[in-house]
Amino acid sequence: AQSVTQLGSHVSVSEGALVLLRCNYSSSVPPYLFWYVQYPNQGLQLLLKYTTGATLVKGINGFEAEFKKSETSFHLTKPSAHMSDAAEYFCAVTSNFGNEKLTFGTGTRLTIIP
Amino acid sequence: NAGVTQTPKFQVLKTGQSMTLQCAQDMNHNSMYWYRQDPGMGLRLIYYSASEGTTDKGEVPNGYNVSRLNKREFSLRLESAAPSQTSVYFCASREQGRAEAFFGQGTRLTVV
Repeated sequence: AQSVTQLGSHVSVSEGALVLLRCNYSSSVPPYLFWYVQYPNQGLQLLLKYTTGATLVKGINGFEAEFKKSETSFHLTKPSAHMSDAAEYFCAVTSNFGNEKLTFGTGTRLTIIP
Repeated sequence: NAGVTQTPKFQVLKTGQSMTLQCAQDMNHNSMYWYRQDPGMGLRLIYYSASEGTTDKGEVPNGYNVSRLNKREFSLRLESAAPSQTSVYFCASREQGRAEAFFGQGTRLTVV
């Protein structure tokens, strides 16, 4: 079984401040992990993904995430928030052991304060 | 450059009516998915199909049926719509394993 927990359904940060969105996963096999972003009235688009190899992964728009197996975490960060980062962010997990199920968290809505 | 195409984009149904949501992808992906998105609940998996000819239940399959018509198309059917099925529905596809999913623009369904 696999699952994702996103801590904090709403996060507010000031423009220029650090963005930290938390994601913890549960998986009985080595996971593949993803962060997606959703702008209002749109579908989801990929920010970044972790499959194997380097545990610090960089994505689009200055975001990055670090896979920490010991903490079962995959938190998303950005050093300096921009107004255009306001959106909803979803963490997701799957694996490569014959089960193609792709499971999402409940999402975190990010608000940027001018 | 179509990617994943969902139709219709908006739909209003009366309780008890039936309808089929259509999804097609042009990326030759093996796996396809149907999710529903509700406020505070994220994306919940309704059904998925790991390959042509196979389908599996997700977290919330009750009240829905699916058909993987061919490799390109994966439809979602509501046989007797209920107000609890008011939601935004997303179709997604991906290659298998470590690949990311690509999403359609969604179908906003209201059941009155």
